Amino acid sequence: GAVVSQHPSWVICKSGTSVKIECRSLDFQATTMFWYRQFPKQSLMLMATSNEGSKATYEQGVEKDKFLINHASLTLSTLTVTSAHPEDSSFYICSARRLAGDKNIQYFGAGTRLSVL
Amino acid sequence: RKEVEQDPGPFNVPEGATVAFNCTYSNSASQSFFWYRQDCRKEPKLLMSVYSSGNEDGRFTAQLNRASQYISLLIRDSKLSDSATYLCAVAPSGNYQLIWGAGTKLIIKP
Repeated sequence: GAVVSQHPSWVICKSGTSVKIECRSLDFQATTMFWYRQFPKQSLMLMATSNEGSKATYEQGVEKDKFLINHASLTLSTLTVTSAHPEDSSFYICSARRLAGDKNIQYFGAGTRLSVL
Repeated sequence: RKEVEQDPGPFNVPEGATVAFNCTYSNSASQSFFWYRQDCRKEPKLLMSVYSSGNEDGRFTAQLNRASQYISLLIRDSKLSDSATYLCAVAPSGNYQLIWGAGTKLIIKP
């Protein structure tokens, strides 16, 4: 079964509205979660690393004021796309880091498909 | 040069055939390696970790070649359901972030 839950799975919104996406680790504590964006037929692009109890680390070119990340608990990280515009339409995927033996493995949520009209 | 490179394909392979593809990485200090599978419009799912000694899971075999800095994935007796994009991911030493390849698209044909 899924170990990472992401909601909502699909969002259609008007330009200028804000959209909040939740990512939960279901049976483990995740001090670190990651937020990715993927455009059609392109590779995953890491947007930011979400750290529980501290500020997120954003990748170069990603606006932190536009993509607000909150990781207030060990099982929940949220991404808020503020004042969304059509160019923000994409597939947003979160992952949570889980220690398995000596490896840190990332497990992904099912993704959120955002369409901004 | 990209940190992690994959042939984007697509690889068109008849059902039942064996197919293999590689993923090269540039950071020689990389420690952990993974193969993920991503179906169209779905999230990536972990297929297998890649160990130094190589590992096998059913029809899938993963190998690591540190000298040449690449990992490989071999699929035997391919099934129609193996059609997907296969992503490799590499974790640099001391860093829990994964560096992702762009993926190799595999199409298994009847």
